[in-house]
Amino acid sequence: AQSVTQLGSHVSVSEGALVLLRCNYSSSVPPYLFWYVQYPNQGLQLLLKYTSAATLVNGIIGFEAEFKKSETSFHLTKPSAHMSDAAEYFCAVSGSGNTPLVFGKGTRLSVIA
Amino acid sequence: DAGVIQSPRHEVTEMGQEVTLRCKPISGHDYLFWYRQTMMRGLELLIYFNNNVPIDDSGMPEDRFSAKMPNASFSTLKIQPSEPRDSAVYFCASSPLGGTGSYNEQFFGPGTRLTVL
Repeated sequence: AQSVTQLGSHVSVSEGALVLLRCNYSSSVPPYLFWYVQYPNQGLQLLLKYTSAATLVNGIIGFEAEFKKSETSFHLTKPSAHMSDAAEYFCAVSGSGNTPLVFGKGTRLSVIA
Repeated sequence: DAGVIQSPRHEVTEMGQEVTLRCKPISGHDYLFWYRQTMMRGLELLIYFNNNVPIDDSGMPEDRFSAKMPNASFSTLKIQPSEPRDSAVYFCASSPLGGTGSYNEQFFGPGTRLTVL
């Protein structure tokens, strides 16, 4: 069985500050890990994914995440927050191939001017 | 490609009524997934198809829910009769077939926001 835990349902940062969204996973098989972003009243957009290549993954709009097997973590970071980053962020895990995604509860990111 | 298309985008209905949600996957994608998003339970899988065949429907909450995929370009999720607790955002996603050991991205539609009064 696979599961994802996102620490913090709501994170608030100042514009220009570091963004850190935490995700820990549990998986009985080598995991594929993902971060999705959801803007208000929109669908989910893939930010980045880990598929057993490089442990540091670069995504779109300046986000990156590092896979740490020893810590079973896949935290999402961005060096400098922008107002446009305010959204809901979901960490997800999958086994392989075309298996369904298992999502965390989500973290709402607020950016303060 | 237009991406995954869902209709309607918003649906308001009364308890007891039948509701049908529709999804058109990206052309050429072999997999189709239905997810539901609620405040209480977050995002959860309802059912998914491979080449129009249901593979896992263990997430379908009860017999009031049914899903079909009559062809590669269309799927429906039906709730009959609907109840207020079915109010949620329903997402459809599709993905192409991947090779062994690879992963293929799921592309999400914009969702259907269902409100059952």
